[in-house]
Amino acid sequence: EIVMTQSPATLSVSPGERATLSCRASQSLSSNLAWYQQKPGQAPRLLIYDASTRATGIPARFSGSGSGADFTLTISSLQSEDSAVYYCQQYNDWVFTFGPGTKVDIK
Amino acid sequence: EVQLVQSGAEEREAGQSLKISCQGSGYRFVNYWIGWVRQKPGKGLEWMGIIYPGDSETRYSPSFQGQVTISADKSTMTAYLQWSSLKASDTAMYYCARRGVGDLWGPGTLVTVSS
Repeated sequence: EIVMTQSPATLSVSPGERATLSCRASQSLSSNLAWYQQKPGQAPRLLIYDASTRATGIPARFSGSGSGADFTLTISSLQSEDSAVYYCQQYNDWVFTFGPGTKVDIK
Repeated sequence: EVQLVQSGAEEREAGQSLKISCQGSGYRFVNYWIGWVRQKPGKGLEWMGIIYPGDSETRYSPSFQGQVTISADKSTMTAYLQWSSLKASDTAMYYCARRGVGDLWGPGTLVTVSS
């Protein structure tokens, strides 16, 4: 089973600043990685798939990069509504494991 | 409207059985995998397994194999997650999601199991 790790666990960023979230896999995923946003009391929302493709309706300030085992989600100019937990998920094999999440707080 | 509608919150006692549902609408249900994800209170997301409603091919995470059963009825466009004997540790929110990459999620079903 592929193990996913995310860093940092918590990130505090001022509005308008850049937020950079990292995700690492225990083995190569090619580009089979997705990012989700989850706000309290809500279901997760798909932000990015195939490592760098924005899902429908996702603002351009969200971008994904990376391949192999190291990936990054960047929020270019943080908005107050971006306060949430962000999860990465691999789908390179049939057990689609999630990372433990990064909580993004607004300063 | 393209959506996944999940059954309502459930309360059971340990040892009881339970089956929760996830109904798709607004798209061709049989052509898309449906996955199940567990989220314990205050914790992260855990991928449980996935089913292809067209032929009921099913894959389970090793952590959940033998603990739950995933099924689907393509005639009613509904996927199911069931337990034969619940444990208090099964208390969680359960989400269904379309495809391995969850491009569409249900609102979740809260399952509370008392010991």
